[in-house]
Amino acid sequence: NAGVTQTPKFRILKIGQSMTLQCAQDMNHNYMYWYRQDPGMGLKLIYYSVGAGITDKGEVPNGYNVSRSTTEDFPLRLELAAPSQTSVYFCASSIRSGLAAGEQYFGPGTRLTVT
Amino acid sequence: AQKITQTQPGMFVQEKEAVTLDCTYDTSDQSYGLFWYKQPSSGEMIFLIYQGSYDEQNATEGRYSLNFQKARKSANLVISASQLGDSAMYFCAMRDLDTGNQFYFGTGTSLTVIP
Repeated sequence: NAGVTQTPKFRILKIGQSMTLQCAQDMNHNYMYWYRQDPGMGLKLIYYSVGAGITDKGEVPNGYNVSRSTTEDFPLRLELAAPSQTSVYFCASSIRSGLAAGEQYFGPGTRLTVT
Repeated sequence: AQKITQTQPGMFVQEKEAVTLDCTYDTSDQSYGLFWYKQPSSGEMIFLIYQGSYDEQNATEGRYSLNFQKARKSANLVISASQLGDSAMYFCAMRDLDTGNQFYFGTGTSLTVIP
């Protein structure tokens, strides 16, 4: 299993440009998540999805969009990039948890700089 | 309101000593899960240990144990026999299982192991 993969690893964007961060998982997990982590800070949830075709906003969704057309893929779209979106972006996935652990598996992250 | 609180921004421990990282949580769900993740300087998020709200025994995984005190809503991580490789950021997280299945992360504690 590759687990959770993210592309690209690094990207520099100019203000106003758009891009899509790719995320894929091969563990057949229903739940997928996008977080951002600013320097020295914790994780903030941007969007999450509980299954194909279903997405919902997290704590900091403004400036981002997502789609979930398949179980495996959960791309994050940045429209009109702003310097405030400079961050490290993590994608994660998990099973739907009842009383079992259902821990999140994280991708390696994408380091994005907007200048 | 903060769901997860980690009050120690930075901690130091002597190699081979034990250290406790504090975490308190806030939820009205009866079913929830508590997690600890490690983030070394390389940036990846590594799952360490899980405790379910109905688990009566404290979770243990090798040198990691979770001191779960349900009435006090605390889920402290204990690392025994600290090693230099334990130097990292540590994040406490909670998953509400009754409402939404989202994860909530604390702001993290930076642990430095001194030789």
